[in-house]
Amino acid sequence: DTGVSQNPRHKITKRGQNVTFRCDPISEHNRLYWYRQTLGQGPEFLTYFQNEAQLEKSRLLSDRFSAERPKGSFSTLEIQRTEQGDSAMYLCASSLGPPKGYTFGSGTRLTVV
Amino acid sequence: KQEVTQIPAALSVPEGENLVLNCSFTDSAIYNLQWFRQDPGKGLTSLLLIQSSQREQTSGRLNASLDKSSGRSTLYIAASQPGDSATYLCAVPAYSGAGSYQLTFGKGTKLSVIP
Repeated sequence: DTGVSQNPRHKITKRGQNVTFRCDPISEHNRLYWYRQTLGQGPEFLTYFQNEAQLEKSRLLSDRFSAERPKGSFSTLEIQRTEQGDSAMYLCASSLGPPKGYTFGSGTRLTVV
Repeated sequence: KQEVTQIPAALSVPEGENLVLNCSFTDSAIYNLQWFRQDPGKGLTSLLLIQSSQREQTSGRLNASLDKSSGRSTLYIAASQPGDSATYLCAVPAYSGAGSYQLTFGKGTKLSVIP
């Protein structure tokens, strides 16, 4: 169990640019989640994958956001035409589902300037 | 819709003190409850997972209790140390369809342990 890995750890981008983040979950976990966290708040759900299928998306996920999980392994989250309001910590978690818990990665901190 | 509240929002204690962090949730039909620690600018580290059928779960100096009927959980930290300084978050999963169990988080309690 090597844990959940996220890359990059930090990303600074200019407004209007596209960015992509990667998440490598625990290999035997079929469930993968993306969350977003802003300062002083708890993480908020963005999207959910079961294996390679994206089964749920939050209303927070505008059409500028897209996520994939090819072959049910790693996942990518892409933000197109970034805005300053996209600045946040993006967290990935994987799980086998209840009663098991969730394992989070170290997150990717995005700053849009 | 599940709502999770954590009180207090911030807590400052001298080293060595025992302390309690509180978490309340509105829907008692939970599978389990998970406590996390978050250091500044970092991801979440799982501390304790307490199942709905359990009353308590312990790990080292940490003890989490769960009272489903009243919608409350507490995290007890014994003999606090400066290294315990972090934000503590509680979260409960809720089934939202299509096999998804979204975690609903509180806003966290920011703990500072003063040497």
